[in-house]
Amino acid sequence: QVQLQESGPGLVKPSQTLSLICTVSGGSISSGSYYWNWIRQPAGKGLEWIGRFYTSGSIDYNPSLKSRVTIAIDTSKNQFSLELRSVTATDTAVYYCVRLTSSGWTYYYGMDVWGQGTTVTVSS
Amino acid sequence: DIVMTQSPLPLPVTPGEPASISCRSSQSLLQSNGYNYLDWYLQKPGQSPQLLIYLASNRASGVPDRFSGSGSGTDFTLKISRVGAEDVGVYYCMQPLQIPHTFGQGTKLEIK
Repeated sequence: QVQLQESGPGLVKPSQTLSLICTVSGGSISSGSYYWNWIRQPAGKGLEWIGRFYTSGSIDYNPSLKSRVTIAIDTSKNQFSLELRSVTATDTAVYYCVRLTSSGWTYYYGMDVWGQGTTVTVSS
Repeated sequence: DIVMTQSPLPLPVTPGEPASISCRSSQSLLQSNGYNYLDWYLQKPGQSPQLLIYLASNRASGVPDRFSGSGSGTDFTLKISRVGAEDVGVYYCMQPLQIPHTFGQGTKLEIK
C-alpha cells in the first residue's frame, strides 16, 4: 500500500526558508487521480491546509500562505516538496504530507493516506 | 473561507455509551452532483489523523460500523454507537469543497 514519509530540517531560523520533502512509496506519484497535500498542525492546536498538487499538474495554495509557499513535484524521485519562505515562530508546527483520492466531481474518497508528520521549529 | 464549527469541543463519554459530534459549515457543502463534501478524521494521541468518513456518510476502509456520519447542506453529525477506549482522540470535520480546505476546531473525546 502507498506510504508517505516527510523529511527535512527540524530547525529553521526566522526569516529563512523551510524546505520539506515527501517521499511516496508503494505507488507512483504521477499516476492515478490524486491530490498531494501539505497540512500543518501547531503543537496542541488544529489542522491547517497549506496546499496541494494534482497529478494533472494543477496547484492550489491556501491564500493565507500563498505569497510564501511553493509546492513542487519530482516524478523521477517519486517525491513532492514544500517550500515556505520568510518563516517566523508562528510557522512552528508538525507538517504532514497527505494523499487525497479524487477525480474532479467523478469520485472522491477523502484524505486516505497520511505521513507520520515531521516537526519543524522556527527559532534562532 | 468556509468556516467549520464543531460542538462540543470536549466530549467526555462513558465506555459503552453512544457519542455524537456536530459540525456546521458556513456555506452549503452540497454539490450539484448530489454529494455533500464533508469528511471526518480522528487523530489518536501521538498519531497522524486518519480518515473515518468521506462524503458525509461513507465509512473509509477498515472503519468499524459503530461509526456513522449523516447530514446535508450545512449541518453534519458523526455518531459512535458504543464508545470504546480505542476511540479516544480528537475528531475533526473538514470540507474539501472549496479552496482553502478548512477543518473544524476539533472535538476531544475522552473516557469518563
